[in-house]
Amino acid sequence: EAGVVQSPRYKIIEKKQPVAFWCNPISGHNTLYWYLQNLGQGPELLIRYENEEAVDDSQLPKDRFSAERLKGVDSTLKIQPAELGDSAVYLCASSLGGINSPLHFGNGTRLTVT
Amino acid sequence: QQQVKQSPQSLIVQKGGISIINCAYENTAFDYFPWYQQFPGKGPALLIAIRPDVSEKKEGRFTISFNKSAKQFSLHIMDSQPGDSATYFCAASKGSNYQLIWGAGTKLIIKP
Repeated sequence: EAGVVQSPRYKIIEKKQPVAFWCNPISGHNTLYWYLQNLGQGPELLIRYENEEAVDDSQLPKDRFSAERLKGVDSTLKIQPAELGDSAVYLCASSLGGINSPLHFGNGTRLTVT
Repeated sequence: QQQVKQSPQSLIVQKGGISIINCAYENTAFDYFPWYQQFPGKGPALLIAIRPDVSEKKEGRFTISFNKSAKQFSLHIMDSQPGDSATYFCAASKGSNYQLIWGAGTKLIIKP
């Protein structure tokens, strides 16, 4: 099966600019996650979708971050405006759903804000 | 109480040796403990997972040992190979809560 696809792989922007990341989950996976991973640290959950519904966005900084999952498949994560501290790897993951269903991660987008 | 503490931060093991990574948790409600493996430039991938009703789970060269009373669990990699060089993350979650609580990771280097 094809894995989780993310794009772009790398993005360099100046602070205060907007940026968007795209994720295509594994076919049939209803649950989609966006994580942030800083260098040398574990992933931190930003938002979880069940189909097109955001069921856990408590960790998403809503003043500058937004996400959508149209039609319950692809998802985009947006930052506007970006800050220097947003430099990190943004990971998308999907799962079949259900408790303890394994997460399948994409290779992430490495964001550098200058 | 939500934290998962992982050690060591980094580990160097000779090829053929045993790599051991430890994790400790506080929340006794946690009931699912996966280990993820991450190579540079890649996303984490599930390696092996355990539930607290068993004390050990083995898959090939990888074994999870679980000590419920001590609230600790560990990953053992037998006959470690250079291809095992990666960052390993332990994690935990509870019941109906889908959110995984992640350890800080261990960078493992296997020397040929």
